[in-house]
Amino acid sequence: AQSVTQLDSQVPVFEEAPVELRCNYSSSVSVYLFWYVQYPNQGLQLLLKYLSGSTLVKGINGFEAEFNKSQTSFHLRKPSVHISDTAEYFCAVTHTGNQFYFGTGTSLTVIP
Amino acid sequence: EAGVAQSPRYKIIEKRQSVAFWCNPISGHATLYWYQQILGQGPKLLIQFQNNGVVDDSQLPKDRFSAERLKGVDSTLKIQPAKLEDSAVYLCASSPGSGGPYGYTFGSGTRLTVV
Repeated sequence: AQSVTQLDSQVPVFEEAPVELRCNYSSSVSVYLFWYVQYPNQGLQLLLKYLSGSTLVKGINGFEAEFNKSQTSFHLRKPSVHISDTAEYFCAVTHTGNQFYFGTGTSLTVIP
Repeated sequence: EAGVAQSPRYKIIEKRQSVAFWCNPISGHATLYWYQQILGQGPKLLIQFQNNGVVDDSQLPKDRFSAERLKGVDSTLKIQPAKLEDSAVYLCASSPGSGGPYGYTFGSGTRLTVV
């Protein structure tokens, strides 16, 4: 079985500062990894995904994530955040593609 | 392309009442999922359909929850009778295949409050 741990439930950061949202997963088999963003009262939107190949994945809105197999991590980063990045961020993992396992989410608050 | 449509957006019911949610996936998407997202938690899979067949419903509380996807297109999720702990956002998602490389496209969800 797979599981996902998002180490920080809340992350406040000042506007234009860099941010890293941490995600660790556990799985005995190879997995696909995803980051989703959820704005208030909306569904989840795909930010980026790692399937195979390059361990550095670039997504929408200037976000990127790095897959680290030895540390079983898939941390999300952005070099300079904007007010509009305030949202809930979910890391997810799947092995078969049939079921995604989501973390409990990280609430990112960008402070003006 | 049109996204995943869900209705209603909000619903408030009393415990022991019944409620139904509707989802229309992206055209051509074979796979449809219903997720339950309780406040402060990540989404949890309730049921997965491939066309009009059930692939995985192992986490669906079948004593009170039911779902169908007639004709392999839109889907309804029903709760009867509702309990207080069913208060959550119910998300519908679809994908061209069995998730994996495709990821999901989510609808905006239905926020259910049971009082």
